[in-house]
Amino acid sequence: AQKVTQAQTEISVVEKEDVTLDCVYETRDTTYYLFWYKQPPSGELVFLIRRNSFDEQNEISGRYSWNFQKSTSSFNFTITASQVVDSAVYFCALSDDILTGGGNKLTFGTGTQLKVEL
Amino acid sequence: DVKVTQSSRYLVKRTGEKVFLECVQDMDHENMFWYRQDPGLGLRLIYFSYDVKMKEKGDIPEGYSVSREKKERFSLILESASTNQTSMYLCASSSRGVGQETQYFGPGTRLLVL
Repeated sequence: AQKVTQAQTEISVVEKEDVTLDCVYETRDTTYYLFWYKQPPSGELVFLIRRNSFDEQNEISGRYSWNFQKSTSSFNFTITASQVVDSAVYFCALSDDILTGGGNKLTFGTGTQLKVEL
Repeated sequence: DVKVTQSSRYLVKRTGEKVFLECVQDMDHENMFWYRQDPGLGLRLIYFSYDVKMKEKGDIPEGYSVSREKKERFSLILESASTNQTSMYLCASSSRGVGQETQYFGPGTRLLVL
């Protein structure tokens, strides 16, 4: 069965530090998608990135970067030069189940609470 | 931009009340989802719908029902609210096409059942 583990429950850093959020997944499928979402205190989950299992190229978007390694079943997320506005809960999710009628089911990790302090 | 809205940000209900949570999306998405979020458990799927009037159970459907009479609207119903249904409820939608699997979420409804 699919599973997503985010072992870090809470991380606290000082502004401008780099921080990496870990995500380890389990799946038997060869075709799957991985996602990261951000949940600020307002509550809404904001989509950050989607990566499919055939694309192991790392991605950088501004201060955000993602490291996908199939060999270790990991999809880690790094924030460079963190800012107070980065404070949020971050969720990693796996999509490998095809739902009835099409579309994919998401399996979420339990989230990592990131606190960035001045 | 995808827009998913939920009817209430906060709700307080009494045990035994019937509760309706409404979700509307404006991107003509076929799929809609209801999740609940609890500390230490992440998001868990309650129900989803892949078309009008179609619904499928998720991982934790007990105590809930849903309704989808129009493509853009998906309602979650608590027939008789209980205190263990106090939670954050999140609605999401996605397209059905290949490569369109990303789910987009609404702002959430924090429900307190007393």
